[in-house]
Amino acid sequence: EPEVTQTPSHQVTQMGQEVILRCVPISNHLYFYWYRQILGQKVEFLVSFYNNEISEKSEIFDDQFSVERPDGSNFTLKIRSTKLEDSAMYFCASRGLADIQYFGAGTRLSVL
Amino acid sequence: GQSLEQPSEVTAVEGAIVQINCTYQTSGFYGLSWYQQHDGGAPTFLSYNALDGLEETGRFSSFLSRSDSYGYLLLQELQMKDSASYFCAVRDGRGSTLGRLYFGRGTQLTVWP
Repeated sequence: EPEVTQTPSHQVTQMGQEVILRCVPISNHLYFYWYRQILGQKVEFLVSFYNNEISEKSEIFDDQFSVERPDGSNFTLKIRSTKLEDSAMYFCASRGLADIQYFGAGTRLSVL
Repeated sequence: GQSLEQPSEVTAVEGAIVQINCTYQTSGFYGLSWYQQHDGGAPTFLSYNALDGLEETGRFSSFLSRSDSYGYLLLQELQMKDSASYFCAVRDGRGSTLGRLYFGRGTQLTVWP
């Protein structure tokens, strides 16, 4: 069964460093999303992406965040200068024509 | 804004039936989804309702009443492996057709032998 894959599974970084979280969406999907989940809290929307541009972003997705689809398969989330409060699970999701979002296993980001 | 309310935890025994309710407030409702999450892993899609009524998928069923801004997930013939967190999520239909999801805080289901 097709699935969304994310790498790395766990990323540890120092505060102020840049991180790039990577996602390979399901191959025939066209709509892509990033969500995050702080430990013990609910899943929160960050950004949606379609046709090589951001469709919508939340208030969390400030200037420190960016997304990119550098080729036909990868979808990345970059945090330029990480803060302690960026520590969370980051989930990538993709969607095809059906209105169902499929999530990857996530990247646990730990900012020290 | 958007808000979703669901119970924080539910317990049941193997073989039982459990219902997890979700009430929501949203300014642009498009559909209600349910996801299962084991130990902080990937939220796994279970069910989606855009129209009123019951959707059945094996042991899981989901119901929606748009007039009441209410839905539930029904799990039948519970198994130990069903122990997990269950999230309801509203699909926002305003503006963009991509539809961001707003999640509830999740219901921790514990199934006892």
